[in-house]
Amino acid sequence: GAVVSQHPSWVICKSGTSVKIECRSLDFQATTMFWYRQFPKQSLMLMATSNEGSKATYEQGVEKDKFLINHASLTLSTLTVTSAHPEDSSFYICSASRGGRGWTNTEAFFGQGTRLTVV
Amino acid sequence: AQSVAQPEDQVNVAEGNPLTVKCTYSVSGNPYLFWYVQYPNRGLQFLLKYITGDNLVKGSYGFEAEFNKSQTSFHLKKPSALVSDSALYFCAVGGSSNTGKLIFGQGTTLQVKP
Repeated sequence: GAVVSQHPSWVICKSGTSVKIECRSLDFQATTMFWYRQFPKQSLMLMATSNEGSKATYEQGVEKDKFLINHASLTLSTLTVTSAHPEDSSFYICSASRGGRGWTNTEAFFGQGTRLTVV
Repeated sequence: AQSVAQPEDQVNVAEGNPLTVKCTYSVSGNPYLFWYVQYPNRGLQFLLKYITGDNLVKGSYGFEAEFNKSQTSFHLKKPSALVSDSALYFCAVGGSSNTGKLIFGQGTTLQVKP
């Protein structure tokens, strides 16, 4: 099956610093990648949709200047949490989409997630 | 707008007994439905999906789900639960854009006791 690798698995940073999270599709080219945020024992909330070579599309309420997304290639998307604060502490998960049009041919594969703790 | 609901926060079942995790959906157009499982501090693992065809979908680890159009439901089932099935389960519906975007339910914690 397709593999999506997310790095780092966990990170602790000081308030005010920036943190970069990488999402890589290891064995396929991902036309679209998605970034989700998950609070403890809660559902995944979509933050943004990232397409290679173009600007990310952010969901309502997500600060684009705080959560910078770059999708420089078909196998790599990065999420940078800028000037992190304790309320940004969360579990961040990426997914990468492989396939063509229609759900019959499209599958979403998830990274293992990144636990961010801002102290 | 697409949405999916999981009415139970937690389901408890004894090992060896059948289990059901409920999911209902609301979509405009054809429903594309998915089940994922999440273990602590891990990403999501795909279990199964319904795109079209047979209403009973078989997936990984012995799980299956039944698509019921009249009841707009897609309940996850397993004939005999294992302790190792204990995890957080998410039902999801595919976004209308068909790009891989998923809209998740709130999740159901399954607790299987020995």
